[in-house]
Amino acid sequence: DVVLTQTPSILSATIGQSVSISCRSSQSLLDSDGNTYLYWFLQRPGQSPQRLIYLVSNLGSGVPNRFSGSGSGTDFTLKISGVEAEDLGVYYCMQATHAPWTFGGGTKLELK
Amino acid sequence: EVQLVESGGGLVQPGRSLKLSCAASGFTFSNYGMHWIRQAPTKGLEWVASISPSGGSTYYRDSVKGRFTISRDNAKSTLYLQMDSLRSEDTATYYCATPSFDYWGQGVMVTVSS
Repeated sequence: DVVLTQTPSILSATIGQSVSISCRSSQSLLDSDGNTYLYWFLQRPGQSPQRLIYLVSNLGSGVPNRFSGSGSGTDFTLKISGVEAEDLGVYYCMQATHAPWTFGGGTKLELK
Repeated sequence: EVQLVESGGGLVQPGRSLKLSCAASGFTFSNYGMHWIRQAPTKGLEWVASISPSGGSTYYRDSVKGRFTISRDNAKSTLYLQMDSLRSEDTATYYCATPSFDYWGQGVMVTVSS
């Protein structure tokens, strides 16, 4: 199975600070169809996960543009340009290139 | 508005069965594959199973193969997960999700314990 390693596991930030989360894959996530099926999700406390980013860098519907995704192959990054209070929670990357689909271990974003 | 509403969870003894449902609305259910994803208490997310739009193709993680069955009734816009021979490690909140993971249900809790 593909292993996704997220760092850091805990991220402390102040409101307005820009932060980044890394997601490294144990193998390339470039599919034979040319797409890279790498997603980012936010799970706020007590809520279902919400998709933020799909196909590495595409912003989900209704997702604020302070979120951005980048990367290729095995290295991917989620950046939040100016953390807001509503951004607190656990962030997960996920790959759907290689079955079984797998998730990273999560990054908890908390207030400093 | 897309809505996914799971039901059927509860407390069940090891070795017994449970069937989850996911009622979908707000989109043409029969056109889309669907997923089940679970989350054990205080743990991360884990993909469980997926099904094609017609139901003709199904996919499972190894730990549930032969025990869980994903199915769908397109006439009722409902997704199912039949869980047999349940184990304590199946204890989790189970979510259904649309094919690109853009919509998730609220989740349903399954507790396997004697």
